[in-house]
Amino acid sequence: GAVVSQHPSRVICKSGTSVKIECRSLDFQATTMFWYRQFPKQSLMLMATSNEGSKATYEQGVEKDKFLINHASLTLSTLTVTSAHPEDSSFYICSAEKGQSQAGELFFGEGSRLTVL
Amino acid sequence: GESVGLHLPTLSVQEGDNSIINCAYSNSASDYFIWYKQESGKGPQFIIDIRSNMDKRQGQRVTVLLNKTVKHLSLQIAATQPGDSAVYFCAENRSGTYKYIFGTGTRLKVLA
Repeated sequence: GAVVSQHPSRVICKSGTSVKIECRSLDFQATTMFWYRQFPKQSLMLMATSNEGSKATYEQGVEKDKFLINHASLTLSTLTVTSAHPEDSSFYICSAEKGQSQAGELFFGEGSRLTVL
Repeated sequence: GESVGLHLPTLSVQEGDNSIINCAYSNSASDYFIWYKQESGKGPQFIIDIRSNMDKRQGQRVTVLLNKTVKHLSLQIAATQPGDSAVYFCAENRSGTYKYIFGTGTRLKVLA
């Protein structure tokens, strides 16, 4: 199966700082990556769709200036939480698709737990 | 962002029994569905998928049933084991997009 690596797995930061989370597809090229946010005991909430070489598509209600997404290569997408506040504390998960002609299996990273103090 | 439901229902099953986890999906245009298993603090793991041109698909100890008429998906786990304890999510893909929407999720507890 395909492997998606996410880093860091845990991060604690002070309020007002920015945090960058990386998502890498290790053994395949991912033309499309997705970023999800998950609160405790809740489902995954799609934040944005990241396409290589173009701007991310954000879901309604997700602030694009708050959650900066960059997909500079076919194997790397980054999510930067800018000026983080305690309410941004959450579990962030990325996923990647192999870019087939039709939708196929999503491969997920292990998630990054962000705690903002 | 889109998400379906807020709080996780729980299904408790005796070890060795069969489990049935249900999911109602939202869009009749969705044509690809995946079941994921998520253990605490980890990312979702693929279990099984099904496309809308099928009603049933079987894997190892798992079966997915799709009822397009009522927009319902189910995951059956045979001979449930303690290692099956996790949260299970269904995800739907809307035809013509690469966008996946996740269901509410169900926590499966396997009782010894």
